[in-house]
Amino acid sequence: GDSVTQMEGPVTLSEEAFLTINCTYTATGYPSLFWYVQYPGEGLQLLLKATKADDKGSNKGFEATYRKETTSFHLEKGSVQVSDSAVYFCALRNTGFQKLVFGTGTRLLVSP
Amino acid sequence: DTGVSQDPRHKITKRGQNVTFRCDPISEHNRLYWYRQTLGQGPEFLTYFQNEAQLEKSRLLSDRFSAERPKGSFSTLEIQRTEQGDSAMYLCASSIISKNTEAFFGQGTRLTVV
Repeated sequence: GDSVTQMEGPVTLSEEAFLTINCTYTATGYPSLFWYVQYPGEGLQLLLKATKADDKGSNKGFEATYRKETTSFHLEKGSVQVSDSAVYFCALRNTGFQKLVFGTGTRLLVSP
Repeated sequence: DTGVSQDPRHKITKRGQNVTFRCDPISEHNRLYWYRQTLGQGPEFLTYFQNEAQLEKSRLLSDRFSAERPKGSFSTLEIQRTEQGDSAMYLCASSIISKNTEAFFGQGTRLTVV
């Protein structure tokens, strides 16, 4: 079945450091790929998405590129802030289906 | 637009009791989803509705679980004869077909079975 694998956390960075959170997927067909973020005490929020190979999703300084050849969708940000501290989930939705398949999440901790 | 609302936010129940959770989607959202999230894991899909029709159910949704959306607006998720393994965060999300937007999630109901 479809699955998503994320790097384990926590990822601990200092403010203004470069961030990469790795995400790879297994799926039949051509899924859409997503990054969701969960801030403390809040619900899941869509951060960015990409619907086809080579698409780049971006939002709030975060970027991720849909790489079909490596089945990856790594999340990057050039300069993290303390306010970026949260849990980040990579997810896919396969063509013709409504359900999202999530990875286990990666906690990001940014210190001043 | 107040977002997806879930009630209660927290529920502690004794093993064997029945519990019911409610989800109010964003107004005019015709798709509604239920997910379960256990500690340290990502959300897992349980079921989804399009209007009042339940169109997909996960194998995770055992016979003790039932979800309804009788008028195509709010939804309820009932767990009968709760077990300790049911302890989790239950998330609801909604979306609208016509705009092909992604799902908006509520803050969840945290269930603890003691």
